[in-house]
Amino acid sequence: NAGVTQTPKFQVLKTGQSMTLQCAQDMNHEYMSWYRQDPGMGLRLIHYSVGAGITDQGEVPNGYNVSRSTTEDFPLRLLSAAPSQTSVYFCASSYSGGGRSYEQYFGPGTRLTVT
Amino acid sequence: ELKVEQNPLFLSMQEGKNYTIYCNYSTTSDRLYWYRQDPGKSLESLFVLLSNGAVKQEGRLMASLDTKARLSTLHITAAVHDLSATYFCAVDVEYGNKLVFGAGTILRVKS
Repeated sequence: NAGVTQTPKFQVLKTGQSMTLQCAQDMNHEYMSWYRQDPGMGLRLIHYSVGAGITDQGEVPNGYNVSRSTTEDFPLRLLSAAPSQTSVYFCASSYSGGGRSYEQYFGPGTRLTVT
Repeated sequence: ELKVEQNPLFLSMQEGKNYTIYCNYSTTSDRLYWYRQDPGKSLESLFVLLSNGAVKQEGRLMASLDTKARLSTLHITAAVHDLSATYFCAVDVEYGNKLVFGAGTILRVKS
């Protein structure tokens, strides 16, 4: 299993550009989430999904869109990039059941810079 | 709004010493996770604590959860340089869908 994969690893955008960060998992997990990590602030939840076709907002959803058409994929779209969106973005997936219920598995991250 | 507070935020310790990192949270939850992050890397799961009184140990690290006090601890025994990393606690408020993270504790173990 590849686990959780994210592309690209690095990206530089100009203010106002749009782009999509890709996230895929091959573990058949029903839950997937996007977090951003900024220095000194831990990780903050952007959007999450409890299954294909179902998404909801997290703590910091403004400026981002998500959709989930398949169990495997959960892309994050930046509609009009702003310097405040400069961050490291992590995708995570999790499942229910078993001794490690709901444990989240994190992808390698995408480092995004908006100039 | 759930708040998760870790302390200390920075810890510099000598090899061989013991220390504890604290994680306090402000709402009811019985699922708490500890992660480790090395510079420039992703998060690595250390412990999953799923009930009051849960205690887990792996090598020199031991984590516990007191849901009544809304407190988790990560105890380091006889620290070694390889433990240098940032440690995060995270509280699960919606069954795997929503983790609220502490700000992280940067641990530096000096040889």
